[in-house]
Amino acid sequence: GAGVSQSPSNKVTEKGKDVELRCDPISGHTALYWYRQSLGQGLEFLIYFQGNSAPDKSGLPSDRFSAERTGGSVSTLTIQRTQQEDSAVYLCASSLGHSGAAYEQYFGPGTRLTVT
Amino acid sequence: DQQVKQNSPSLSVQEGRISILNCDYTNSMFDYFLWYKKYPAEGPTFLISISSIKDKNEDGRFTVFLNKSAKHLSLHIVPSQPGDSAVYFCAAGDDKIIFGKGTRLHILP
Repeated sequence: GAGVSQSPSNKVTEKGKDVELRCDPISGHTALYWYRQSLGQGLEFLIYFQGNSAPDKSGLPSDRFSAERTGGSVSTLTIQRTQQEDSAVYLCASSLGHSGAAYEQYFGPGTRLTVT
Repeated sequence: DQQVKQNSPSLSVQEGRISILNCDYTNSMFDYFLWYKKYPAEGPTFLISISSIKDKNEDGRFTVFLNKSAKHLSLHIVPSQPGDSAVYFCAAGDDKIIFGKGTRLHILP
């Protein structure tokens, strides 16, 4: 079956422009996460969706970042007025749920964002 | 405030020997722990996990140990192989998953 897919795989944008990154999770997975990995850094949690609950946005670094998940499936991460420090690989992951073995996440290949 | 800490950014181990990767956590509410492996230009892949009710889980060459009193877990790889060279992330969850910063493992020939 299909895994987690992300698009685009690479995005180069000019400082100040808005970008949208897309994530298609595995069908039936109720939990969806966005992470960011900057050069030489670990996985930085951004936002977490679980079913119909309000998303946990505690990791979003500023109000320029937002995300939505439509119909409990596809998610879009939007970065407005991009800055050079936003350059990173943005990773999406999905899992069956949020307890026990359902925590096991499946990651997409990531979107490499470069802000020039 | 890091809830999941991997204090060794890198580790080098001779091929055939044991690799031990360590992870500490601060949140006693975490009830599930996971290790992920990441190659360059790929997303992380799940490796092995352990529930807080256990202290050991083994899968082939990989064993995870959990010491709840010390809030410490470790991943043992034995014997280490060249293909094990990657970045290893420790993760923990009590609702959402929190990742450590990773440890880069180099297996030396």
